[in-house]
Amino acid sequence: SQTIHQWPATLVQPVGSPLSLECTVEGTSNPNLYWYRQAAGRGLQLLFYSVGIGQISSEVPQNLSASRPQDRQFILSSKKLLLSDSGFYLCAWSPRFEAFFGQGTRLTVV
Amino acid sequence: AQSVTQPDIHITVSEGASLELRCNYSYGATPYLFWYVQSPGQGLQLLLKYFSGDTLVQGIKGFEAEFKRSQSSFNLRKPSVHWSDAAEYFCAVGLEAGTALIFGKGTTLSVSS
Repeated sequence: SQTIHQWPATLVQPVGSPLSLECTVEGTSNPNLYWYRQAAGRGLQLLFYSVGIGQISSEVPQNLSASRPQDRQFILSSKKLLLSDSGFYLCAWSPRFEAFFGQGTRLTVV
Repeated sequence: AQSVTQPDIHITVSEGASLELRCNYSYGATPYLFWYVQSPGQGLQLLLKYFSGDTLVQGIKGFEAEFKRSQSSFNLRKPSVHWSDAAEYFCAVGLEAGTALIFGKGTTLSVSS
């Protein structure tokens, strides 16, 4: 069966520091991969999605970037974090229609 | 633009009472429809989905949802709520295979004893 792993679960980082969140999927090949950010009362905001290795689409211009170095690996990065980058980050994969989510990373920028 | 509306931000129901969470979408054709549940600090879990066919779909944890084309709605129901159902619920639509889902802003469900 397919599983998705996302880490770390929580992260506290100072303003201006770099960020790297990793997501991997097991048990499937060539999945569509997504990064969402969730802020209280604002639902899920799609940040990036990828349909294949090296193929990244950005939905919102911001201080973040994403990469897909391997078929089942999706990385969310930032060179310099801002306070406004705080939030709950969710990785998801999709075989075709429905999406399956990781457990999320709570990022607090201080 | 396509959108998903969950009119109720927060609902409180008594344990054992019935539940209905509302969801409306704006899209020209019939999209793929989903309900997800999220416990605090956790990821989203798929409750049920509608692609086509029978407009009443059954999901996990005793939930069901009914698609009504004329109302562009996909409301989630449960006949008897348990305290463990307290969580945040998200309705989502998919427009095409392989595209990202569009989510509503969620409804927080509280269950009182």
